[in-house]
Amino acid sequence: QLVLTQSPSASASLGASVKVTCTLSSGHSSYSIAWHQQQPEKGPRYLMKVNSDGSHRKGDGIPDRFSGSSSGADRYLTISSLQSEDEAEYYCQTWGTGVVFGGGTKVTVL
Amino acid sequence: EVQLLESGGGLVQPGGSLRLSCAASGFTFSSYAMSWVRQAPGKGLEWVSLFSGSGGSTYYADSVKGRFTISRDNSKNTLYLQMDSLRADDTAVYFCAKMCCASLGNFDYWGQGTLVTVSS
Repeated sequence: QLVLTQSPSASASLGASVKVTCTLSSGHSSYSIAWHQQQPEKGPRYLMKVNSDGSHRKGDGIPDRFSGSSSGADRYLTISSLQSEDEAEYYCQTWGTGVVFGGGTKVTVL
Repeated sequence: EVQLLESGGGLVQPGGSLRLSCAASGFTFSSYAMSWVRQAPGKGLEWVSLFSGSGGSTYYADSVKGRFTISRDNSKNTLYLQMDSLRADDTAVYFCAKMCCASLGNFDYWGQGTLVTVSS
């Protein structure tokens, strides 16, 4: 079964970096995923697609301080030079016979 | 500029029906798969249904299969979700989302959502 696992929370100081992890279930380590950001009381926003080789393609207008990478079944979203507006929920998403979301990671800017 | 505007949400009694609409603009609507995703209060995102951009294939989450019907009118650039036999656990904000491609893939644009409340 295709499942995405995320840690519930992550935090870092203003101006620092934070790395959010999304883990694919066993047997699905070759899958691509997408990262989406949801700020409080807003609809989600597409950030990027991350492939198994670590290559990634960002959405329109996404700042350079957002980047993606991969290692095995793990897909990462790294946010550098954290800003206050980066405090949000981050969801990973993939697809097989349907669409699957991770449970979300709440990023807090200290 | 891609825009997705949902409408049709509201308060409905358990067992009732509601039809959501999503008006799309800024891209060639017929070429892309479109989807509905919902978010219950305080919860994460849950995929609901998808309509492919080619071949007319539809997909549903198990939680709504047999109760919800997705459709699209390419002449009106509009996506629909007919929701029947509604239950309290269908209460959520419903988002319309565009896919990157003609079938399953990553979402690349989202609407702002419309709230559906199922309650007596």
